[in-house]
Amino acid sequence: LAKTTQPISMDSYEGQEVNITCSHNNIATNDYITWYQQFPSQGPRFIIQGYKTKVTNEVASLFIPADRKSSTLSLPRVSLSDTAVYYCLVSSGTYKYIFGTGTRLKVLA
Amino acid sequence: ETGVTQTPRHLVMGMTNKKSLKCEQHLGHNAMYWYKQSAKKPLELMFVYNFKEQTENNSVPSRFSPECPNSSHLFLHLHTLQPEDSALYLCASSQDVSINEQFFGPGTRLTVL
Repeated sequence: LAKTTQPISMDSYEGQEVNITCSHNNIATNDYITWYQQFPSQGPRFIIQGYKTKVTNEVASLFIPADRKSSTLSLPRVSLSDTAVYYCLVSSGTYKYIFGTGTRLKVLA
Repeated sequence: ETGVTQTPRHLVMGMTNKKSLKCEQHLGHNAMYWYKQSAKKPLELMFVYNFKEQTENNSVPSRFSPECPNSSHLFLHLHTLQPEDSALYLCASSQDVSINEQFFGPGTRLTVL
């Protein structure tokens, strides 16, 4: 199972773009990369998922280099409501989802 | 978001009590999960059910007993718990047990006295 490493915390200001990088050096060929967002006392919420290159949806972009040993979640123009913990997961189709400690993002006014 | 509901939202119980947590998903999914989230710790996967069959028991103590009567409902029966079992218990569902995104409920905040 691929282990992930993320920064423990990050601070940003409203309106800025935030990039959170996750390292997963021993990612397997079948593994996908998924990011979740969690607010206090709530369950995590799916943000985005990708396998390689770049994926974009209405809330975020996910950049994955060719070697797939890392990935970067990009949140454009963050607001105060984006303050949350962000988790990077690497898993294949074996339902062994392992959440790491996540990155605590604090958005300042 | 009401796709996955959990009851109760808060529960306080003594170590000798027996209680049950309930999860219901209205998304037509086939897989359901129980997670435990202790303070300042990562989410820990406890159990996985796929089409009502348990496919994963992540070395969970027997004082936690899951039950999945159908694909829409999942229970976690609790008995003789310990104070260290106090945590947020989260239920999730997904279309199947592959890489599909999981939808989480709001959780049950459990306190064991």
